[in-house]
Amino acid sequence: DAKTTQPPSMDCAEGRAANLPCNHSTISGNEYVYWYRQIHSQGPQYIIHGLKNNETNEMASLIITEDRKSSTLILPHATLRDTAVYYCIVRVAWGGADGLTFGKGTHLIIQP
Amino acid sequence: NAGVTQTPKFRVLKTGQSMTLLCAQDMNHEYMYWYRQDPGMGLRLIHYSVGEGTTAKGEVPDGYNVSRLKKQNFLLGLESAAPSQTSVYFCASTSSGLATYEQYFGPGTRLTVT
Repeated sequence: DAKTTQPPSMDCAEGRAANLPCNHSTISGNEYVYWYRQIHSQGPQYIIHGLKNNETNEMASLIITEDRKSSTLILPHATLRDTAVYYCIVRVAWGGADGLTFGKGTHLIIQP
Repeated sequence: NAGVTQTPKFRVLKTGQSMTLLCAQDMNHEYMYWYRQDPGMGLRLIHYSVGEGTTAKGEVPDGYNVSRLKKQNFLLGLESAAPSQTSVYFCASTSSGLATYEQYFGPGTRLTVT
Protein backbone atom coordinates (compact mmCIF):
# COMPACT_ATOMS: atom_id res chain seq x y z
CA ASP A 1 0.00 0.00 0.00
CA ALA A 2 1.15 3.53 -0.76
CA LYS A 3 2.54 5.64 2.06
CA THR A 4 0.68 8.76 3.18
CA THR A 5 1.89 11.98 4.78
CA GLN A 6 -0.32 14.14 7.00
CA PRO A 7 0.38 17.14 9.24
CA PRO A 8 0.52 16.05 12.89
CA SER A 9 -2.00 18.62 14.08
CA MET A 10 -4.39 21.34 12.94
CA ASP A 11 -6.74 23.82 14.55
CA CYS A 12 -10.07 25.01 13.20
CA ALA A 13 -12.70 27.37 14.56
CA GLU A 14 -16.11 25.93 15.31
CA GLY A 15 -18.53 26.50 12.44
CA ARG A 16 -15.79 26.91 9.88
CA ALA A 17 -14.74 24.37 7.26
CA ALA A 18 -11.91 22.09 8.31
CA ASN A 19 -9.60 21.11 5.45
CA LEU A 20 -7.30 18.19 6.18
CA PRO A 21 -4.57 17.50 3.61
CA CYS A 22 -2.95 14.19 2.75
CA ASN A 23 -0.07 13.45 0.40
CA HIS A 24 0.11 10.05 -1.29
CA SER A 25 2.54 10.59 -4.16
CA THR A 26 3.21 6.87 -4.72
CA ILE A 27 -0.44 5.85 -5.04
CA SER A 28 -1.14 3.16 -7.64
CA GLY A 29 -3.92 3.22 -10.17
CA ASN A 30 -6.03 0.65 -8.33
CA GLU A 31 -5.63 2.17 -4.87
CA TYR A 32 -8.38 4.10 -3.16
CA VAL A 33 -8.03 6.90 -0.62
CA TYR A 34 -9.83 6.21 2.66
CA TRP A 35 -10.41 8.51 5.59
CA TYR A 36 -11.11 7.32 9.11
CA ARG A 37 -11.28 9.27 12.33
CA GLN A 38 -10.75 8.32 15.94
CA ILE A 39 -12.45 10.32 18.62
CA HIS A 40 -10.56 10.14 21.89
CA SER A 41 -10.34 6.57 23.27
CA GLN A 42 -12.90 5.20 20.81
CA GLY A 43 -12.48 2.82 17.90
CA PRO A 44 -11.81 4.38 14.49
CA GLN A 45 -14.80 5.34 12.38
CA TYR A 46 -14.99 5.24 8.60
CA ILE A 47 -15.69 8.63 7.01
CA ILE A 48 -15.37 8.45 3.24
CA HIS A 49 -13.36 6.99 0.41
CA GLY A 50 -12.63 7.77 -3.24
CA LEU A 51 -10.68 6.69 -6.30
CA LYS A 52 -10.51 9.61 -8.74
CA ASN A 53 -13.62 11.70 -8.50
CA ASN A 54 -14.56 13.99 -5.68
CA GLU A 55 -16.92 12.39 -3.21
CA THR A 56 -19.42 13.74 -0.71
CA ASN A 57 -21.52 12.12 1.97
CA GLU A 58 -23.36 13.25 5.06
CA MET A 59 -20.15 13.54 7.03
CA ALA A 60 -17.60 15.08 4.69
CA SER A 61 -16.29 15.77 1.22
CA LEU A 62 -13.19 14.27 -0.34
CA ILE A 63 -11.26 16.19 -2.98
CA ILE A 64 -8.64 14.22 -4.91
CA THR A 65 -6.21 16.04 -7.20
CA GLU A 66 -6.19 15.14 -10.86
CA ASP A 67 -2.81 13.39 -10.59
CA ARG A 68 -4.11 11.59 -7.47
CA LYS A 69 -0.96 12.42 -5.53
CA SER A 70 -2.81 14.28 -2.82
CA SER A 71 -6.26 14.71 -1.36
CA THR A 72 -8.17 16.90 1.08
CA LEU A 73 -10.87 15.90 3.50
CA ILE A 74 -13.35 18.69 4.12
CA LEU A 75 -15.63 18.91 7.13
CA PRO A 76 -17.92 21.73 5.97
CA HIS A 77 -19.13 23.07 9.31
CA ALA A 78 -16.87 21.77 12.04
CA THR A 79 -18.29 21.23 15.52
CA LEU A 80 -16.56 20.50 18.81
CA ARG A 81 -17.50 16.84 18.34
CA ASP A 82 -15.28 16.73 15.25
CA THR A 83 -12.18 17.01 17.45
CA ALA A 84 -10.39 13.74 16.68
CA VAL A 85 -7.40 12.14 15.00
CA TYR A 86 -8.01 11.79 11.26
CA TYR A 87 -6.28 9.06 9.31
CA CYS A 88 -5.70 9.07 5.56
CA ILE A 89 -5.17 5.52 4.27
CA VAL A 90 -4.42 4.29 0.78
CA ARG A 91 -5.13 0.72 -0.27
CA VAL A 92 -6.80 -1.40 -2.89
CA ALA A 93 -10.51 -1.88 -2.38
CA TRP A 94 -10.90 -5.27 -3.96
CA GLY A 95 -9.01 -8.43 -3.26
CA GLY A 96 -7.16 -9.47 -0.15
CA ALA A 97 -8.36 -9.26 3.39
CA ASP A 98 -5.30 -7.76 5.00
CA GLY A 99 -6.02 -4.94 7.36
CA LEU A 100 -5.66 -1.20 7.19
CA THR A 101 -2.29 0.50 7.67
CA PHE A 102 -2.68 3.45 10.01
CA GLY A 103 -0.08 6.20 10.29
CA LYS A 104 -0.12 8.75 13.09
CA GLY A 105 -2.83 10.84 11.42
CA THR A 106 -3.73 14.49 11.98
CA HIS A 107 -5.02 15.60 15.34
CA LEU A 108 -7.75 18.09 14.49
CA ILE A 109 -8.74 20.40 17.32
CA ILE A 110 -11.93 22.40 16.91
CA GLN A 111 -11.77 25.62 18.89
CA PRO A 112 -14.94 27.17 20.33
CA ASN B 1 -27.83 -4.46 16.18
CA ALA B 2 -24.84 -4.02 18.51
CA GLY B 3 -22.19 -3.94 15.78
CA VAL B 4 -18.78 -4.95 17.14
CA THR B 5 -18.45 -5.57 20.86
CA GLN B 6 -15.35 -6.34 22.93
CA THR B 7 -14.96 -8.02 26.29
CA PRO B 8 -13.53 -6.97 28.70
CA LYS B 9 -13.24 -3.18 28.48
CA PHE B 10 -10.35 -2.97 30.94
CA ARG B 11 -7.91 -5.47 32.37
CA VAL B 12 -4.77 -5.42 34.48
CA LEU B 13 -2.46 -8.42 34.29
CA LYS B 14 0.76 -9.35 35.99
CA THR B 15 3.71 -10.37 33.86
CA GLY B 16 3.41 -14.01 32.87
CA GLN B 17 -0.35 -14.26 33.29
CA SER B 18 -2.59 -15.26 30.43
CA MET B 19 -5.90 -13.94 29.20
CA THR B 20 -8.30 -14.00 26.27
CA LEU B 21 -9.97 -11.01 24.68
CA LEU B 22 -13.30 -11.64 23.01
CA CYS B 23 -14.63 -9.85 19.96
CA ALA B 24 -18.15 -10.41 18.71
CA GLN B 25 -19.96 -8.99 15.69
CA ASP B 26 -23.59 -9.36 14.65
CA MET B 27 -23.28 -8.12 11.07
CA ASN B 28 -22.48 -11.52 9.52
CA HIS B 29 -19.10 -10.23 8.38
CA GLU B 30 -16.57 -12.68 6.97
CA TYR B 31 -13.42 -10.75 7.85
CA MET B 32 -12.32 -9.92 11.37
CA TYR B 33 -9.22 -8.19 12.69
CA TRP B 34 -7.29 -7.50 15.87
CA TYR B 35 -5.24 -4.30 16.14
CA ARG B 36 -3.23 -2.77 18.94
CA GLN B 37 -2.67 0.92 19.54
CA ASP B 38 0.15 2.28 21.65
CA PRO B 39 0.12 5.88 22.97
CA GLY B 40 0.48 8.49 20.22
CA MET B 41 0.58 5.86 17.51
CA GLY B 42 -1.72 4.56 14.83
CA LEU B 43 -3.23 1.09 14.96
CA ARG B 44 -1.11 -1.92 14.04
CA LEU B 45 -2.55 -5.19 12.81
CA ILE B 46 -1.89 -8.24 15.01
CA HIS B 47 -3.86 -11.04 13.36
CA TYR B 48 -6.84 -11.34 11.09
CA SER B 49 -9.31 -13.93 9.84
CA VAL B 50 -11.06 -14.31 6.51
CA GLY B 51 -13.58 -16.82 7.76
CA GLU B 52 -14.53 -19.38 10.33
CA GLY B 53 -11.61 -21.65 11.14
CA THR B 54 -9.00 -19.51 9.37
CA THR B 55 -6.49 -17.02 10.77
CA ALA B 56 -3.46 -15.16 9.46
CA LYS B 57 -0.62 -13.08 10.89
CA GLY B 58 -0.53 -9.33 10.62
CA GLU B 59 2.25 -6.85 11.25
CA VAL B 60 2.89 -7.58 14.95
CA PRO B 61 1.75 -11.17 15.71
CA ASP B 62 4.45 -12.25 18.19
CA GLY B 63 3.18 -13.08 21.66
CA TYR B 64 -0.45 -13.46 20.53
CA ASN B 65 -2.63 -16.29 19.34
CA VAL B 66 -6.10 -16.13 17.81
CA SER B 67 -9.00 -18.41 17.07
CA ARG B 68 -12.16 -18.09 15.00
CA LEU B 69 -14.33 -21.07 15.89
CA LYS B 70 -17.56 -19.25 15.10
CA LYS B 71 -18.11 -16.71 12.35
CA GLN B 72 -19.31 -14.06 14.76
CA ASN B 73 -16.47 -14.37 17.27
CA PHE B 74 -12.74 -13.70 17.09
CA LEU B 75 -10.61 -14.42 20.16
CA LEU B 76 -7.20 -12.93 20.92
CA GLY B 77 -5.05 -14.76 23.45
CA LEU B 78 -2.00 -13.73 25.40
CA GLU B 79 -0.30 -16.84 26.75
CA SER B 80 2.33 -15.12 28.87
CA ALA B 81 1.73 -11.38 29.16
CA ALA B 82 4.65 -8.96 29.02
CA PRO B 83 4.77 -5.22 29.89
CA SER B 84 5.37 -4.53 26.18
CA GLN B 85 1.84 -5.77 25.53
CA THR B 86 0.35 -2.92 27.51
CA SER B 87 -1.84 -1.28 24.90
CA VAL B 88 -5.37 -0.64 23.71
CA TYR B 89 -6.70 -3.50 21.61
CA PHE B 90 -9.30 -2.92 18.92
CA CYS B 91 -11.28 -5.50 17.04
CA ALA B 92 -12.79 -4.78 13.63
CA SER B 93 -14.85 -6.55 11.01
CA THR B 94 -15.88 -6.09 7.41
CA SER B 95 -17.78 -7.90 4.72
CA SER B 96 -15.87 -9.47 1.87
CA GLY B 97 -18.57 -8.19 -0.44
CA LEU B 98 -18.14 -4.55 0.47
CA ALA B 99 -16.38 -2.61 -2.27
CA THR B 100 -15.89 0.22 0.17
CA TYR B 101 -13.76 -1.95 2.42
CA GLU B 102 -15.25 -0.11 5.36
CA GLN B 103 -14.10 -1.65 8.61
CA TYR B 104 -16.31 -1.48 11.68
CA PHE B 105 -14.41 -1.13 14.94
CA GLY B 106 -15.25 -2.10 18.48
CA PRO B 107 -14.80 0.22 21.49
CA GLY B 108 -11.47 -1.23 22.52
CA THR B 109 -9.96 -3.13 25.46
CA ARG B 110 -7.44 -1.31 27.62
CA LEU B 111 -4.84 -3.77 28.87
CA THR B 112 -2.12 -2.97 31.39
CA VAL B 113 0.60 -5.51 32.14
CA THR B 114 2.60 -4.81 35.31
